[in-house]
Parts: sequence; C-alpha cells; structure tokens
Amino acid sequence: AQSVSQHNHHVILSEAASLELGCNYSYGGTVNLFWYVQYPGQHLQLLLKYFSGDPLVKGIKGFEAEFIKSKFSFNLRKPSVQWSDTAEYFCAAAGGTSYGKLTFGQGTILTVHP
Amino acid sequence: DTGVSQNPRHKITKRGQNVTFRCDPISEHNRLYWYRQTLGQGPEFLTYFQNEAQLEKSRLLSDRFSAERPKGSFSTLEIQRTEQGDSAMYLCASSRGGNQPQHFGDGTRLSIL
Repeated sequence: AQSVSQHNHHVILSEAASLELGCNYSYGGTVNLFWYVQYPGQHLQLLLKYFSGDPLVKGIKGFEAEFIKSKFSFNLRKPSVQWSDTAEYFCAAAGGTSYGKLTFGQGTILTVHP
Repeated sequence: DTGVSQNPRHKITKRGQNVTFRCDPISEHNRLYWYRQTLGQGPEFLTYFQNEAQLEKSRLLSDRFSAERPKGSFSTLEIQRTEQGDSAMYLCASSRGGNQPQHFGDGTRLSIL
C-alpha cells in the first residue's frame, strides 16, 4: 500500500536554528513528492515539489528538499528558521497508477521561538 | 487566480441529518479533489474529478457519501445520515492536470452534535 510517514510530530526550535524534517514514502513505480505548509488559520500551500531531474529542489521562503531514492526519503530543510515559519508541515506523494491523488504524511508541527 | 473557495466554512448539525458542501475550484482547473482531515492527521483522499467525470473514489467514501461535479466547474459533497465519525475538516483542491500541484481551499469543518 502507498504510504508516507513523517518522523516527528512536533519540533521546537529557536530562531536561526537549522531545520530538517524527515519524510519517507512507500510507493511502487514513479513518484512525485511534495511539501505543503499550513500556517495558523490558513489553507495548505505548496512549498516545493519534486517530479524528476535534480534531486535537490528549492522552494519558497528558503526551503529546500532532497530526494534520495535509495532511502525512499524526501527531507525538508532550511538553514535558518524564523518565527514566521511556525506552522504545520505535510509531506505528500502522488504516483503509482493514480497520478494526482495525494497521500499525505501525518504532519509535523513546527514551533519557532523568537 | 482567485483561489479555491469552499462553503460553508463551518457546519454544525445533529447526527442523522444530511449535509452538503460546495467547492468552487480555480477557473480552468480541470481536476478537482476532495480530502478529509481529522485532528492530528494529514488529509486523506476521498475522490477526484477530471472535468465532470468522477475517476476514483476511496474506500473511505461509504455509500452515505456522494460527490458531483455536474458541469465540470463547481463540485458538491453530500453526506447523508451523518454520524459522529464524520466530524472532520473537508478539503477541496484543484489542479490543471494530474501531475500539476494542487491548490487547496480553506476547508469546511463539520461538527456533529
């Protein structure tokens, strides 16, 4: 069965700390990978996506993610977080025989203290 | 790009009642998706449309659930004989195609009394 798992439920950091959120997926065949962010009171927004090509993808607001096929991972990183990065982050995958249908991880709540 | 619009934002109803939610996708987006999200979990896929055709339904979508997209534009999701377990946030998303990123609405929060 297709699945996505996120390693951490809640991460607490101070401003300027580095961030890495783990994501592992289980999919047969080609997979497209996404990170979405949900700021308090707002809808899900796309941070970045990987379809093919360079496994290091850059997204908005200084976020990046690395696709490591051998590890079935797509971890999200940011060198220096800001208070405004406080949000919930979701890793998602689409692929197999049903391109478009997203399978989400359970989400990671990031709290950044000023 | 006016975004995906969902109505109502919040629906409170008694168990056993029927409810209907509406989703207006971004214009010219031919794909429309419904997801359900419960507390502490990521969204779970329910169903999706390519124009007016409903192409896939999740096993989560029991017989009490029905979705339509009659003219390939807006969509409705109806839940009949609501149960406590239906309490959740119902999310709608749209995209230009199967491999294109999905844009999400604010969701409709359903509370069953």
